[in-house]
Amino acid sequence: QLQMQQSGPGLVKPSETLSLTCTVSGGSISSNSYYWGWIRQPPGKGLEWIASMYYSGRTYYNPSLESRVTISVDTSKSQLSLKLSSVTAADTAVYYCARVGSSRGTRFFDYWGQGTLVTVSS
Amino acid sequence: EIVMTQSPATVSVSPGERATLSCRASQSVSSFLAWYQQKPGQAPRLLIYGASTRATGIPARFSGSGSGTEFTLTISSLQSEDFAVYYCQQYNDWPPLTFGGGTKVEIK
Repeated sequence: QLQMQQSGPGLVKPSETLSLTCTVSGGSISSNSYYWGWIRQPPGKGLEWIASMYYSGRTYYNPSLESRVTISVDTSKSQLSLKLSSVTAADTAVYYCARVGSSRGTRFFDYWGQGTLVTVSS
Repeated sequence: EIVMTQSPATVSVSPGERATLSCRASQSVSSFLAWYQQKPGQAPRLLIYGASTRATGIPARFSGSGSGTEFTLTISSLQSEDFAVYYCQQYNDWPPLTFGGGTKVEIK
């Protein structure tokens, strides 16, 4: 059974960089059948896709966040990472890592991390 | 960007009754539509993909239908564990992958 375990700080100061890590177990992050990505959810609001990355490095970003987002995959550690720069209070949200299929007919999220609430505050 | 609109925002249903949730896309997404269930404090759970295929382990009381721009999620006989927020997501075109705003199913 695939598991995705998130880690990272729950509090980030305005203008700084949010950094989160997601460790994948029970399956290969190098699978050619999946992308690995991040989704966020502001308190009391809906879901927003941030970005997804293939193990080989091919990456897709939400245009609304692309200028501030960097995601990476470390296959040796089976880890996915997210960095979001220049954060403001509007970036306060629960951040989820999730697996998404790599082909057009499978780009839904079938496994999710537990979520990390990140609050942006001084 | 394909905009997904869900209605109603909240639906009140008695246990054992049927709930019908709608999702509309701003342009055709063919059948590339997924539904998720989210309970408070939990990550979303995949219910339906391909507009009508139940994910592994999802009870038969959940069914999806539609294609193009109009989709429906039906819960045939609501159980206590079904009271939650439901989201649709299109994956016909990316980036970005987009979600609807959600429908909350609450106890009447």
